[in-house]
Amino acid sequence: EAAVTQSPRSKVAVTGGKVTLSCHQTNNHDYMYWYRQDTGHGLRLIHYSYVADSTEKGDIPDGYKASRPSQENFSLILELASLSQTAVYFCASSDERFEQYFGPGTRLTVL
Amino acid sequence: GDSVTQKQGQVTLSEDDFLFINCTYSTTTYPTLFWYVQYPGQGPQLLLKVTTANNKGISRGFEATYDKGTTSFHLQKASVQESDSAVYFCALVFPGGNYKPTFGKGTSLVVHP
Repeated sequence: EAAVTQSPRSKVAVTGGKVTLSCHQTNNHDYMYWYRQDTGHGLRLIHYSYVADSTEKGDIPDGYKASRPSQENFSLILELASLSQTAVYFCASSDERFEQYFGPGTRLTVL
Repeated sequence: GDSVTQKQGQVTLSEDDFLFINCTYSTTTYPTLFWYVQYPGQGPQLLLKVTTANNKGISRGFEATYDKGTTSFHLQKASVQESDSAVYFCALVFPGGNYKPTFGKGTSLVVHP
């Protein structure tokens, strides 16, 4: 069974603070993704990676950084959190067939 | 540029009704198409995949079809149940591109008993 885990599952952050969201997969997949989900916007791709030590910008990368130190781990970093970054964040992994397996999500609230 | 449109924001049905959800895409190449389903409080999960090779996929009573002529793809189910209530997303990956998937905005399906 494919497995993608995310931590923390929920987070309250202060405006201007640094937030790191972590994702770990045991699928042996090369591709990993970070999305945010807001009501009415569906899933929007922030960053993705198709190999360790390399990341690519998605559709809405501004205000976010990503890090892929190993095949299994992919982090999303908000250096200066803002109110507009309150959302649910999903991580996913896939192989070259692009069938994505999603984690359970992290609910981030920025106050 | 490449894009996908999922116009139906919400669909409300009764049990045993027929479900039809449609997505259209704009691209110069033939993409690989996916349908994902998201239940409340969970991450999306893959429901179906359709490629240019097979043009159709079937899973859990759902059927996805691919119409290259109209650059659209559909998700349908003959008889929905209350347990099918969820959000359904279409998604595409464009071959020869940069491996970046694109999701539609989702269709919230509510099925009344």
